[in-house]
Amino acid sequence: AQTVTQSQPEMSVQEAETVTLSCTYDTSESDYYLFWYKQPPSRQMILVIRQEAYKQQNATENRFSVNFQKAAKSFSLKISDSQLGDAAMYFCASIQGAQKLVFGQGTRLTINP
Amino acid sequence: GAGVSQSPSNKVTEKGKDVELRCDPISGHTALYWYRQSLGQGLEFLIYFQGNSAPDKSGLPSDRFSAERTGGSVSTLTIQRTQQEDSAVYLCASSFGRGNYGYTFGSGTRLTVV
Repeated sequence: AQTVTQSQPEMSVQEAETVTLSCTYDTSESDYYLFWYKQPPSRQMILVIRQEAYKQQNATENRFSVNFQKAAKSFSLKISDSQLGDAAMYFCASIQGAQKLVFGQGTRLTINP
Repeated sequence: GAGVSQSPSNKVTEKGKDVELRCDPISGHTALYWYRQSLGQGLEFLIYFQGNSAPDKSGLPSDRFSAERTGGSVSTLTIQRTQQEDSAVYLCASSFGRGNYGYTFGSGTRLTVV
């Protein structure tokens, strides 16, 4: 069974600084995909970034990038130049085979002006 | 439609009543998922549809919960004889195929059982 663990319930960062959110996962498959989702107070889950396990290159999307360490089963999210609009709950998630997306418990990110 | 639409946005019901939550996925998305999110918690999987079939309903917490999907499109999640512990946000998502490119989520239905 796949599991996803986020060990940081809450994080805070000063506006314009960089913050890293941690995530570890466990899977028995070699073919899987990893995601970070953002959930603002509007409740809608927004896909931030996606990583294919067979690709060694870390995914990047503008100010968002990941550090994918396959052997360590680690998938952290780095947010550069933090903005007030980045404040939200962030969820790490994985999917393997034909199974469903499994989520971590989330990290609440606060941006201090 | 352009996104995943869920209705109602909020629902308050009395304990013991039945409720129906609706999800209208993105047109053409073959897979549809229901998740439950309790206050301050992560997302708990409930059920998955591929077309009108539900190959995985392992997350439904009890036989009070049921779901159906018709025409490969709209889905309804029904909770019978609601209990206070059913209070949560119910999120629906849809995807192409296996969902390897991620799911698109709706804004959820906040259910409050009083």
